[in-house]
Amino acid sequence: DVKVTQSSRYLVKRTGEKVFLECVQDMDHENMFWYRQDPGLGLRLIYFSYDVKMKEKGDIPEGYSVSREKKERFSLILESASTNQTSMYLCASSFLLNYGYTFGSGTRLTVV
Amino acid sequence: GENVEQHPSTLSVQEGDSAVIKCTYSDSASNYFPWYKQELGKGPQLIIDIRSNVGEKKDQRIAVTLNKTAKHFSLHITETQPEDSAVYFCAASNGRYGGSQGNLIFGKGTKLSVKP
Repeated sequence: DVKVTQSSRYLVKRTGEKVFLECVQDMDHENMFWYRQDPGLGLRLIYFSYDVKMKEKGDIPEGYSVSREKKERFSLILESASTNQTSMYLCASSFLLNYGYTFGSGTRLTVV
Repeated sequence: GENVEQHPSTLSVQEGDSAVIKCTYSDSASNYFPWYKQELGKGPQLIIDIRSNVGEKKDQRIAVTLNKTAKHFSLHITETQPEDSAVYFCAASNGRYGGSQGNLIFGKGTKLSVKP
């Protein structure tokens, strides 16, 4: 089975800190995605990548950046964490766009 | 772009009853429709999917139906059990690369509660 591993389950960071969320997949998938999940708002796409060193903005990219230096790793960066970035962050990968995404277990980030 | 609407937002059933969750989509080019189950504290997990060349697909107690003309698809869970309690998401995709148009577009989710 494809595994998507997110490095942390829970994180607490201070306002203004630079935060790195790491995601690694082990099935050679081309596509990787970062979502945030908030109650009542569903899954919102932050950034995605279809290939190494490629990145594109999703629906809510403000305040975030990403890095994909290797095919298996897709990192989400909060340049200067703010309290409104407190959320559950989910990473996903897929073989093709119209194949099922595999999600990681999520990172619950709290910014204080 | 694609828009996916999901109803109801919450659903409560008695154990053993059936549960139905419905989604509508707007892009007639969408051709892939997965359903995800998210248990508390976990990431969403793919439970069943259907492609536009198929009208119905079953996997044990779970089935999905697709009506391309009406642009809606539904998840059916029969003989519900307490462990079916979770949030369910539908999604749609046309699979086209180029910008974000081909990515999965998710519904906002349905919280299913199965009462023993």
